Amino acid sequence: GAVVSQHPSWVICKSGTSVKIECRSLDFQATTMFWYRQFPKQSLMLMATSNEGSKATYEQGVEKDKFLINHASLTLSTLTVTSAHPEDSSFYICSARREASNSPLHFGNGTRLTVT
Amino acid sequence: AQTVTQSQPEMSVQEAETVTLSCTYDTSENNYYLFWYKQPPSRQMILVIRQEAYKQQNATENRFSVNFQKAAKSFSLKISDSQLGDTAMYFCAFSKKNSGNTPLVFGKGTRLSVIA
Repeated sequence: GAVVSQHPSWVICKSGTSVKIECRSLDFQATTMFWYRQFPKQSLMLMATSNEGSKATYEQGVEKDKFLINHASLTLSTLTVTSAHPEDSSFYICSARREASNSPLHFGNGTRLTVT
Repeated sequence: AQTVTQSQPEMSVQEAETVTLSCTYDTSENNYYLFWYKQPPSRQMILVIRQEAYKQQNATENRFSVNFQKAAKSFSLKISDSQLGDTAMYFCAFSKKNSGNTPLVFGKGTRLSVIA
């Protein structure tokens, strides 16, 4: 069964509004979670590394004030797309790994965001 | 920085035949993991197979096997007895073997179509 739950699976919002996406590890604690973005017919691009109890680490070119990440507990990370614009429409996927370094990365089912 | 290259944007194979997907990577690390992920139309990321760099033996999972050539930094995926359900995007990925906070770096993917 799924070990990483992502919600919602899809969302449509109006331009200028904010959208929150949740990522939960279901049966393990994850001090680190990763957020990826995938445009149509493209690969997964790492946006940021979410660290429990501290600030997220953003990849170059990703606006930290636009994509707010909060990792307040060991099982939950949230990504908030603030003041969304149509160009933010994409597929967002979170992932997490059990603490052991040789554990595989588990992915959520993704969130399809459409900004109108 | 690590890079992963998949030189085949699209591939097709007849049902029951064998197909090989190519992947090369670049890294200065000596110890790392390599992965193949499958992404069907549902967009769920499914781990197909994993290889640890320090292991010389090629990983095998049922109909899926890899040809890992560390010196050449090559990591190809062979799918035997292809099935219609194998139709998907396939991503090659790299991960440093440090700790749980290491993300995956993905190639651009290969779209595989299995033809009846």
